[in-house]
Amino acid sequence: RKEVEQDPGPFNVPEGATVAFNCTYSNSASQSFFWYRQDCRKEPKLLMSVYSSGNEDGRFTAQLNRASQYISLLIRDSKLSDSATYLCVVNGRFDTGGFKTIFGAGTRLFVKA
Amino acid sequence: GAVVSQHPSWVICKSGTSVKIECRSLDFQATTMFWYRQFPKQSLMLMATSNEGSKATYEQGVEKDKFLINHASLTLSTLTVTSAHPEDSSFYICSARSPTPGQGMAIQYFGAGTRLSVL
Repeated sequence: RKEVEQDPGPFNVPEGATVAFNCTYSNSASQSFFWYRQDCRKEPKLLMSVYSSGNEDGRFTAQLNRASQYISLLIRDSKLSDSATYLCVVNGRFDTGGFKTIFGAGTRLFVKA
Repeated sequence: GAVVSQHPSWVICKSGTSVKIECRSLDFQATTMFWYRQFPKQSLMLMATSNEGSKATYEQGVEKDKFLINHASLTLSTLTVTSAHPEDSSFYICSARSPTPGQGMAIQYFGAGTRLSVL
């Protein structure tokens, strides 16, 4: 089982739609969680951190469920510019040993006019 | 957010030559930097963890003699692809972990990447 798993998609949605991504992680001792965004042929950029209480930044809402070991990202009122790959990132001590930052393989989102 | 500079952004070289890529943290000191490789339409693959003042830790399957990493200062790590071959053509991205009171909340910031094409 992968340490961090995401649905690869792609998610194809119309402008204005609400879309949600989930990400599951295997290590219950994971400490911190993030969502990154990667545009085609560009480097990943931090979108937002994910806090236990959940957090919102404009149209983006991130939530953490430690009991079920998953995090989610909700995008409301999708824009064309939201088209990208969204990477789930988990910090912690994993089965492979040592402190690591583990990236999910990413979920591709296409927002169409 | 923190800035990580990566240079060069694009390299075209002949098979058999060596290519050096630099990664600098511009506004913070990074004791740990990371090197990733990404093939088209695939996910990031961690190649190695670069630790300032000590040897890099390579992931399984990554040849340490092929991909030389030097982390000589708290703001600079270099990756040298030695005797590059066409199969080494890829997008190489570095990142630096921002300093935090504890590792738990460490955020990684990425360089803009280096696109390597080996002819």
